[in-house]
Amino acid sequence: QKEVEQNSGPLSVPEGAIASLNCTYSDRGSQSFFWYRQYSGKSPELIMFIYSNGDKEDGRFTAQLNKASQYVSLLIRDSQPSDSATYLCAVAYGGGADGLTFGKGTHLIIQP
Amino acid sequence: DGGITQSPKYLFRKEGQNVTLSCEQNLNHDAMYWYRQDPGQGLRLIYYSQIVNDFQKGDIAEGYSVSREKKESFPLTVTSAQKNPTAFYLCASSMATGGTDTQYFGPGTRLTVL
Repeated sequence: QKEVEQNSGPLSVPEGAIASLNCTYSDRGSQSFFWYRQYSGKSPELIMFIYSNGDKEDGRFTAQLNKASQYVSLLIRDSQPSDSATYLCAVAYGGGADGLTFGKGTHLIIQP
Repeated sequence: DGGITQSPKYLFRKEGQNVTLSCEQNLNHDAMYWYRQDPGQGLRLIYYSQIVNDFQKGDIAEGYSVSREKKESFPLTVTSAQKNPTAFYLCASSMATGGTDTQYFGPGTRLTVL
């Protein structure tokens, strides 16, 4: 049974600070990792994906992957109130063509 | 204007009825997916299709059926056999390149059983 674990939160972060979101997964064969943002009542939108150990940066977002520890994280720098949302971690065996396994999400609140 | 469309946005079903949710994409993506999301939960995979006229069961396929007669379309039928169908249904598509394939989601259909 593939499992993806996230702290449900809410995680409260002051505006302008760094928000750190964490995710662990159970299947060592997992190869691709995705972060989605979901606003209340809306569908998920892709933030970024990572498949190699280390860091991957895209604007204010940095994804970090440690396959040995089965851990993936998302850092959001200079947090803005518009970043307040639920962040979903998703994991795939291979590239994701067989579908994704999602965590329950972390609810992030950026306090002005 | 490329993207994924789902209809209807809201759907109400009486117990014992079958209902069909529409999903269409004009992104020329090969793969399409259906997920279900319950309140406070992550998404769970219902069915997926990597090619026309072929589809695979996901983790929670019982009580659902799909077809893939056209590349652009992947409708989902929620049958009366699905005991707890009230949920947010999300359709997604991807290129299915064989590498890391990012899935893009439609706006969703919110189904309520009366």
